[in-house]
Amino acid sequence: DTGVSQDPRHKITKRGQNVTFRCDPISEHNRLYWYRQTLGQGPEFLTYFQNEAQLEKSRLLSDRFSAERPKGSFSTLEIQRTEQGDSAMYLCASSLARGTGANVLTFGAGSRLTVL
Amino acid sequence: GDSVTQMEGPVTLSEEAFLTINCTYTATGYPSLFWYVQYPGEGLQLLLKATKADDKGSNKGFEATYRKETTSFHLEKGSVQVSDSAVYFCALIRYNFNKFYFGSGTKLNVKP
Repeated sequence: DTGVSQDPRHKITKRGQNVTFRCDPISEHNRLYWYRQTLGQGPEFLTYFQNEAQLEKSRLLSDRFSAERPKGSFSTLEIQRTEQGDSAMYLCASSLARGTGANVLTFGAGSRLTVL
Repeated sequence: GDSVTQMEGPVTLSEEAFLTINCTYTATGYPSLFWYVQYPGEGLQLLLKATKADDKGSNKGFEATYRKETTSFHLEKGSVQVSDSAVYFCALIRYNFNKFYFGSGTKLNVKP
């Protein structure tokens, strides 16, 4: 397994456009998280899945953000009608739900979004 | 609510110097505590963790002790190397909860 993969690594878009990020977690991990990180800040929780179920979504997440994990494997994060304030690094992480690996997050390298 | 506070950086040290990065937390109950490290251009990696009071996490010469009485989890290393230059994040998760809270990160620069 090559770890958590995210695509694209960098996306530049114009305000008002839609963007989609993809995350491929470690195959045996049933939990998948999305975080957002802005410059000089720590990761901020957006949402998480256990298998295909989205179990929690941050109140900070506007209706323009939607995430899916249709088959409990890869996940997508879509941002509609992007705004300049959406510019950030979007991080995906995965973990096991039980056992010694539970609550140990493995992060991808992130997808950097720049909204012009 | 739950939160993590870290000392602001950047921290600049000479090689072989002693390192301390302070971390304090606020949480209900008994959280698990973590240190993650982010090297330039890479994703966050788990450095060490502690799951209960008085536990000591250690890895790669780094150590941190879970101090419930002072709600702290300070990161220490006796002799830093240039390769330790990175951003260090303190984090917590509460038992039976599924959301991690991260500090704002402390950048460490180690000069030869």
